[in-house]
Amino acid sequence: DGGITQSPKYLFRKEGQNVTLSCEQNLNHDAMYWYRQDPGQGLRLIYYSQIVNDFQKGDIAEGYSVSREKKESFPLTVTSAQKNPTAFYLCASRRRGGIERTDTQYFGPGTRLTVL
Amino acid sequence: RKEVEQDPGPFNVPEGATVAFNCTYSNSASQSFFWYRQDCRKEPKLLMSVYSSGNEDGRFTAQLNRASQYISLLIRDSKLSDSATYLCAVSGYAGNNRKLIWGLGTSLAVNP
Repeated sequence: DGGITQSPKYLFRKEGQNVTLSCEQNLNHDAMYWYRQDPGQGLRLIYYSQIVNDFQKGDIAEGYSVSREKKESFPLTVTSAQKNPTAFYLCASRRRGGIERTDTQYFGPGTRLTVL
Repeated sequence: RKEVEQDPGPFNVPEGATVAFNCTYSNSASQSFFWYRQDCRKEPKLLMSVYSSGNEDGRFTAQLNRASQYISLLIRDSKLSDSATYLCAVSGYAGNNRKLIWGLGTSLAVNP
């Protein structure tokens, strides 16, 4: 089945530790996105990538880093510089193109990160 | 003014009721519009794209009003399983790259 997978589903981290969240898709989508969701704050864009080996900061990139070495994979590292990392992290992808219907984003099941 | 705004609710309705949500957007150049459904502690899932002519999928109808810059979602004959948060999303740009701008969501509770 085609889709987006994220792992782990739940992650616990001690303060001061870096942690990497996995996101893999087999939809052959070019663009991938990382969002953070906190209660009452909706989806906030952390980083996005339109093509391999290229990525851009979103609205709240501080304390995060990403890489895009393969089309299928877009891992997110939450560094110790992120002051309030406890949140629900969602990865999404979309088929890149110039027409409006390719704006549709599809989400993975998310990773719930808790900093202890 | 926020780029995309929704009434957070909650909307509490009995089974079988008809309920409507609106979502306003600020960028008149936006081209794509969507409704997503998000269940508690789950990922958002695409419910409907919203086309200029309006579109219907079973009990769900989506409309776009470009003049007043809002989209709407109508749910007829509400089911218990419709209880969820409904997110609207509107296309925008970050530099030359396309992105979606999200509303905070409208919470719906359908009661027996």
